[in-house]
Amino acid sequence: GENVEQHPSTLSVQEGDSAVIKCTYSDSASNYFPWYKQELGKRPQLIIDIRSNVGEKKDQRIAVTLNKTAKHFSLHITETQPEDSAVYFCAASMGGAQKLVFGQGTRLTINP
Amino acid sequence: SQTIHQWPATLVQPVGSPLSLECTVEGTSNPNLYWYRQAAGRGLQLLFYSIGIDQISSEVPQNLSASRPQDRQFILSSKKLLLSDSGFYLCAWSPLVPYGYTFGSGTRLTVV
Repeated sequence: GENVEQHPSTLSVQEGDSAVIKCTYSDSASNYFPWYKQELGKRPQLIIDIRSNVGEKKDQRIAVTLNKTAKHFSLHITETQPEDSAVYFCAASMGGAQKLVFGQGTRLTINP
Repeated sequence: SQTIHQWPATLVQPVGSPLSLECTVEGTSNPNLYWYRQAAGRGLQLLFYSIGIDQISSEVPQNLSASRPQDRQFILSSKKLLLSDSGFYLCAWSPLVPYGYTFGSGTRLTVV
């Protein structure tokens, strides 16, 4: 089955700097790659996603890139702000039941 | 618009007691439904998923079970809870086409 590896497990950046989180997946049939943000005690919320027919997608300060050949995808957050502090999860899925397999999560801390 | 309801929000149960968590979705038909568990400070583990009424698949062998008695209702149960069942339980739904999950607000279960 699918396996998703996420790095780093923790990341601390200065406010205003950029943050990058990377994930690799194992199943080349995976075709959908969402990113979730989870604040303490809350539910994960979808922040951006990308499909296998697209190489890059951007939404304001957040962008995701996908390299199908290497089977990895990354989340980029620019001009980080204190409210970006949270745990971020990447995931991968493919057709059928659309089971999402999640990475282990990255705890992002933005230092003022 | 679609909404997902999950209850209760918190639950403290003694070891050996039964469990029933309920999740319902409104505003859509024939959703894919999922149960995930998140241990404290950890990632998201898929427990069960369902692509239709009475169509339940289990991802991890354990003392939990799931049922889908109606199209938009998903129930997680246990006959006898273990200490290791403690965690944050999240229900989620997705449409049939590749799309991100929407999570319920979660149930924080503590087994004592």
